[in-house]
Formats: sequence, C-alpha cells, structure tokens
Amino acid sequence: DIQMTQSPSSLSASVGDRVTITCRASQSISSYLNWYQQKPGKAPKLLIYAASSLQSGVPSRFSGSGSGTDFTLTISSLQPEDFATYYCQQSYSTPIFTFGPGTKVDIK
Amino acid sequence: QVQLVQSGAEVKKPGASVKVSCKASGYTFTSYAMHWVRQAPGQRLEWMGWINAGNGNTKYSQKFQGRVTITRDTSASTAYMELSSLRSEDTAVYYCARGDYYGSGSHPHWYFDLWGRGTLVTVSS
Repeated sequence: DIQMTQSPSSLSASVGDRVTITCRASQSISSYLNWYQQKPGKAPKLLIYAASSLQSGVPSRFSGSGSGTDFTLTISSLQPEDFATYYCQQSYSTPIFTFGPGTKVDIK
Repeated sequence: QVQLVQSGAEVKKPGASVKVSCKASGYTFTSYAMHWVRQAPGQRLEWMGWINAGNGNTKYSQKFQGRVTITRDTSASTAYMELSSLRSEDTAVYYCARGDYYGSGSHPHWYFDLWGRGTLVTVSS
C-alpha cells in the first residue's frame, strides 16, 4: 500500500505569510495527488487536484506542485480564513485512496 | 443546489450495525462515483470505499472488507453505507463525497469535489 506523510504536522503563521506544506508518498505516484482543506467541525474542501490544478472557486493564492514522491502546497499570502488543517490524498492506486496525516495551520 | 445531505447522528451498541444515507441533489446522480470517508476524533481522514452510482460496482478498503457495504438507490439519488460488527473504535464522523475525475484514458486523476456535512456515529455500551 502507498503511505503518505506530511510535514510539518503543525505550524504557526501570521496573516500575510507565505506558507509551504510538504507531502511525500512512499512510492512514485506521478501527479496523482490532491489537496484538501478542513476547518474544525466542517467537511473537507477540495483545493488542488492532479498535483497542480486549482479547483474552481478556490483563491489563486493556493498552488500545488511536485510529481513522483514529493509534493508541496503553497499559500502565497495567508488569510484569516486559511487557518485550517490541510490533507494530501493520493489517487494513483485507484480504486484505493489514501490520505496523509494532515498539517494544522494556526495563528502565531 | 448541488449538495449531499446525510442522515442524522446515530448511537449504537458494540456489535450492532449502522446504515448512513447520503442524498444527492442538483446533479445527475448516476454520472458520478460516491465515496465514503470517516474521521475518528482527532484523527486523519480514512477512505472506506466507493460505489459507481451508475452501474453499482463497489470497491472497499481492505481494512473494512467484510464489514462495510455500500449501496445506492438511483430512484432516490441516494447512497448508503452500512457498517456492521461495530466496536468503540468505529466512533467517528462518516462523510460521503462525490468522486469526479480529470483526464482521459485508462488512468484518470480522481478527486472528491463535493462532500456531505458528515454523520457522527457513536459506538458505546
């Protein structure tokens, strides 16, 4: 099975900061990587699919990059509504899907 | 309005079964897949399985194989997830999520683009 890890597990940042979250797969998954945002008590929301494609309606300050085993999610200028937990998900081994452990972004 | 509406919270005893529903509206139900994902308190998202809402084909995570059954009623645009032999570790929020894909060919990029609000299932004696 493909295992997903994320780093850091949590981070503190200020509004306006540039934030980068890393996701790593245990084997190459090409660009089969999605990113989700989850706020407390809410369902996850799709941000990025296929490693770098921005989901419709998602602000352009979010971007994704990477291929193979290493991926990043970048928030170019952190906004108050961006404080949340972010999860990566691999879809390479469809029809089996795996999520990463999450990265919590909170206010410094 | 495109949305997934899930059934309400459940409290079950160990050994019992639970069946959670997910009603789709605002889109053609049979044109998409439906996935089930759970999240135990403070834990990561965990994919459980999915159903092709068009032909009814299913695939389950090895972890839940034998305990989970996903079905759908196309006339009601509703998907169901039933989990049996419940234990305390099954206490979690259960989400349905619509599956869509990008690209063509034999290996498109799947993702979950629409989620229900979640159903809390509590297993306690």
